Amino acid sequence: EPEVTQTPSHQVTQMGQEVILRCVPISNHLYFYWYRQILGQKVEFLVSFYNNEISEKSEIFDDQFSVERPDGSNFTLKIRSTKLEDSAMYFCASSEPSGGLNTGELFFGEGSRLTVL
Amino acid sequence: RKEVEQDPGPFNVPEGATVAFNCTYSNSASQSFFWYRQDCRKEPKLLMSVYSSGNEDGRFTAQLNRASQYISLLIRDSKLSDSATYLCVFPSGAGSYQLTFGKGTKLSVIP
Repeated sequence: EPEVTQTPSHQVTQMGQEVILRCVPISNHLYFYWYRQILGQKVEFLVSFYNNEISEKSEIFDDQFSVERPDGSNFTLKIRSTKLEDSAMYFCASSEPSGGLNTGELFFGEGSRLTVL
Repeated sequence: RKEVEQDPGPFNVPEGATVAFNCTYSNSASQSFFWYRQDCRKEPKLLMSVYSSGNEDGRFTAQLNRASQYISLLIRDSKLSDSATYLCVFPSGAGSYQLTFGKGTKLSVIP
């Protein structure tokens, strides 16, 4: 069964360092997303990406964050200068060409746990 | 009123029991609703969509009450494997690809 894969599964970094989280969405999907979940909190939307550009972003997704699709398979989230409050599980997701609006089905990766010290 | 509210639980039920969760939402314009399931420290996975006429899939039944602005999830004949957190989810706006997640209701099915 096709799946979304994410690397690394866990990253520990020092405050102020740059972090890049990588994702390989499902191959025929066209919509890509990053969500995050702080421990014990709800899943929060960060950004959606379609046709090589950001389609929506939340207030959380400030200038410290950026996304890129450097080639035909990878989708990355970069945090330029990490803060303590960036510690969370970051989930990449993708959805089918319809965008998942009708079915509500986003396929999530297993997540990358980021710990900022 | 918060966008979406769920009773956090935990709901501790014996195997075979029937359990129901509610989720209230504030955006009366929402047309689509979904229940996702999240196992401990795992990714969310779609359980079922909620249609205006309700939706049933095996032991799971989802209902929508627009007048009172809540959706419900009923699980019959609970299995140990149903233990998880159940997330109420809906699109954040018309034409939006952004999903809003509730904080979830934790279910523990006990042998």
